[in-house]
Amino acid sequence: QVTLKESGPVLVKPTETLTLTCTVSGFSLSNSRMGVSWIRQPPGGALEWLAHIVSNDEKSYSTSLKNRLAISKDTSKSQVVLTMTNMDPVDTATYYCARMRLGFGELLYDHWGQGTLVSVSS
Amino acid sequence: DIVMTQSPDSLAVSLGERATINCKSSQSILYSSNIKNYLAWYQQKPGQPPNLLIYWASTRESGVPDRFSGSGSGTDFTLTINSLQAEDVAVYYCQQYYSAPYTFGQGTKLEIQ
Repeated sequence: QVTLKESGPVLVKPTETLTLTCTVSGFSLSNSRMGVSWIRQPPGGALEWLAHIVSNDEKSYSTSLKNRLAISKDTSKSQVVLTMTNMDPVDTATYYCARMRLGFGELLYDHWGQGTLVSVSS
Repeated sequence: DIVMTQSPDSLAVSLGERATINCKSSQSILYSSNIKNYLAWYQQKPGQPPNLLIYWASTRESGVPDRFSGSGSGTDFTLTINSLQAEDVAVYYCQQYYSAPYTFGQGTKLEIQ
């Protein structure tokens, strides 16, 4: 059974750095046909893709946020970590991690965590 | 970045009727070497994470009812839900996976009329 679970602070202050952890089970982060993405959703808003990491440690970032984001993984712990610097109230959102299924060109999110709501306020 | 634009933003359809949601990409997401459209549709019910419905623009994910279908090519795509059921109330998102960043549309909220 594939599961993903996000963890991290529920409240951060403006200018602080957010660190979120996605702990996965049911698949390995060393599987070349899998990866993990972070996607966020502001309250009442749309999904926004943030970053992904795959088995060979290749990473990709949102164009508008790439200067603030860093993604990494610890395969032995089955964890993917996302850091976002210089948090602002507009970054208030539910942050999801999702498993990427990689195939012959496909890049699909077939399992998602329940999400963690992060609020940015002083 | 490829911009994905959905229409309408919301729609209300009667039970048993057909719902149609459109998605337009700012550039073609048809890959010429394999003639595949790099487009997926996701359904997000209230209080839940999104759920993959369709990929390659028209391939249903395993377990997705056949009343859901996708069509289109190049830059224009459609999600059709036939015989609308009460459990189909959700927000639907299209997403391109042609090139990073893998952008989503703004979502279409589907309600029962």
